[in-house]
Amino acid sequence: KAGVTQTPRYLIKTRGQQVTLSCSPISGHRSVSWYQQTPGQGLQFLFEYFSETQRNKGNFPGRFSGRQFSNSRSEMNVSTLELGDSALYLCASSFSANEQFFGPGTRLTVL
Amino acid sequence: KNQVEQSPQSLIILEGKNCTLQCNYTVSPFSNLRWYKQDTGRGPVSLTIMTFSENTKSNGRYTATLDADTKQSSLHITASQLSDSASYICVVRWMDSSYKLIFGSGTRLLVRP
Repeated sequence: KAGVTQTPRYLIKTRGQQVTLSCSPISGHRSVSWYQQTPGQGLQFLFEYFSETQRNKGNFPGRFSGRQFSNSRSEMNVSTLELGDSALYLCASSFSANEQFFGPGTRLTVL
Repeated sequence: KNQVEQSPQSLIILEGKNCTLQCNYTVSPFSNLRWYKQDTGRGPVSLTIMTFSENTKSNGRYTATLDADTKQSSLHITASQLSDSASYICVVRWMDSSYKLIFGSGTRLLVRP
């Protein structure tokens, strides 16, 4: 089975712009979670989607949003980018509550 | 407050040596505890996952232990290799209505030749 894929792998944007990141989960996995990872904060939970519905949400401002499509693929959108949004954004998919498989991440740099 | 704390923050060891990483948590009740290995710039990869009733689990040279009474877990790496250089993250799944994952900040391990 192919693993979790994320596109793009690297992205450079400027302040004020918006960005959309994509995640394709492992085939058969219906849950997709998004995380932000920065050197100072570690892994921070953004949100989780299951069957096209947001099931959990972390403590991030409304500029961060996401959605999930009927084929379980998910997108994450960040509007009005700030310098502090520079991070590695990780997507993870799961079939059950016992395991999560992470993608390689998207490295976002905001200038 | 539900927290996961890892120690040490960073560690340097010589190739071939053993090491032990610590994870203390206050998450209660919890469903399971996982250890992940994360190479720089990559996504975390699962090493072990233990439920509250398990005491130890091995994955090759990696052995995780869990003491649910003291709320402590450790990850022991035997005969370290250069490829073990990575961050090791302890994650506890909180057994609330949302089954949230609580992440530790990780231990950065550097194995030197």
